[in-house]
Amino acid sequence: DTGVSQDPRHKITKRGQNVTFRCDPISEHNRLYWYRQTLGQGPEFLTYFQNEAQLEKSRLLSDRFSAERPKGSFSTLEIQRTEQGDSAMYLCASSWSGALEMEDTQYFGPGTRLTVL
Amino acid sequence: EDKVVQSPLSLVVHEGDTVTLNCSYEVTNFRSLLWYKQEKKAPTFLFMLTSSGIEKKSGRLSSILDKKELFSILNITATQTGDSAIYLCAVETGNQFYFGTGTSLTVIP
Repeated sequence: DTGVSQDPRHKITKRGQNVTFRCDPISEHNRLYWYRQTLGQGPEFLTYFQNEAQLEKSRLLSDRFSAERPKGSFSTLEIQRTEQGDSAMYLCASSWSGALEMEDTQYFGPGTRLTVL
Repeated sequence: EDKVVQSPLSLVVHEGDTVTLNCSYEVTNFRSLLWYKQEKKAPTFLFMLTSSGIEKKSGRLSSILDKKELFSILNITATQTGDSAIYLCAVETGNQFYFGTGTSLTVIP
């Protein structure tokens, strides 16, 4: 399978614990995005990387959230001191940024569903 | 504030009907508009639109963009039960993507 993969697919944690999610993009893609989706809503943009550089970070991303993409390949999203309001589906997407129209199309991973008790 | 609004929020039709889903946007630095289909998993890509008035087609689905009036429509003809899903519209502005809340389509046999 050469699509975007995410791990774990499901995570249940207690309030106050830290969690870390991983995303492996499509190998030739240079852009990687993190989104959060709650029930009945479209995905909300959290942050975005071009190669290893984090270029954009939504104001939705509080200090408890941090994302890295150390070698420009896989990325991790960490949530510290989780709160019940963090319960959501966390989606990762990747794309190739170039000059042609069909580039920049985002391909999504299956998501990590987080439940904070 | 950049925003993307989709309508209707939900739609129930019978197999064989034709549906039109709407997406309007107010953004700075528009780059492209994308349509996705989301079933009980992550969204899957349908269309990317950057130019006004050029229809994109894929089987029974088609979409067009109007950059003057700031909207796009997604048409589905001869709907099938497998078309039941949430259809998401997203607008790219520079480095960010803004999604609408989606239109939930239910196709009844």
